[in-house]
Amino acid sequence: DTAVSQTPKYLVTQMGNDKSIKCEQNLGHDTMYWYKQDSKKFLKIMFSYNNKELIINETVPNRFSPKSPDKAHLNLHINSLELGDSAVYFCASSQAWGDKNIQYFGAGTRLSVL
Amino acid sequence: SQQGEEDPQALSIQEGENATMNCSYKTSINNLQWYRQNSGRGLVHLILIRSNEREKHSGRLRVTLDTSKKSSSLLITASRAADTASYFCATDLSQGGKLIFGQGTELSVKP
Repeated sequence: DTAVSQTPKYLVTQMGNDKSIKCEQNLGHDTMYWYKQDSKKFLKIMFSYNNKELIINETVPNRFSPKSPDKAHLNLHINSLELGDSAVYFCASSQAWGDKNIQYFGAGTRLSVL
Repeated sequence: SQQGEEDPQALSIQEGENATMNCSYKTSINNLQWYRQNSGRGLVHLILIRSNEREKHSGRLRVTLDTSKKSSSLLITASRAADTASYFCATDLSQGGKLIFGQGTELSVKP
């Protein structure tokens, strides 16, 4: 069983469309994250949720809206997609913070906006 | 601004050689972690070193941390072709689980 799974793996879409990426973890972790990795492999945190509560909301356009229906799921909805949104999006989870903040990553969703 | 910077950006060695990667950061940290990313895959946690620790070992990995210089190094001994990957340092600032990643070192181990 995959610990952190995200779907879809690839997403190709036109500018202006709305799309969603889903993430699920079966590790029983309380905290989940969304990261964006650009073409230079720079990885930046976007959001985190702890037990369905938004904890981190970095400077991300409000076209990006995370939703956590329960602590095992964290989805990312993106409105009005732009060319600059093309990147690999990773979901991750961790048991706790501090020295237990070891993060487990999904395989990524490669988003290409045409 | 970016917290972590890694050096070198790319490293190419022969199997059996040691590989050393360095990471520098700017602010006080709770801990520092190293992750590996194989091409087209997610990141995998390798090792965590607390701010009050100076050195840690895990198998062929050795991590050092110098908080006075705000730097860390990852040493992979007796490298193998399977170690070919990108390696990232990440600093934990105790801000709700937020990790700030360096730009990564791309390691290529040639058989």
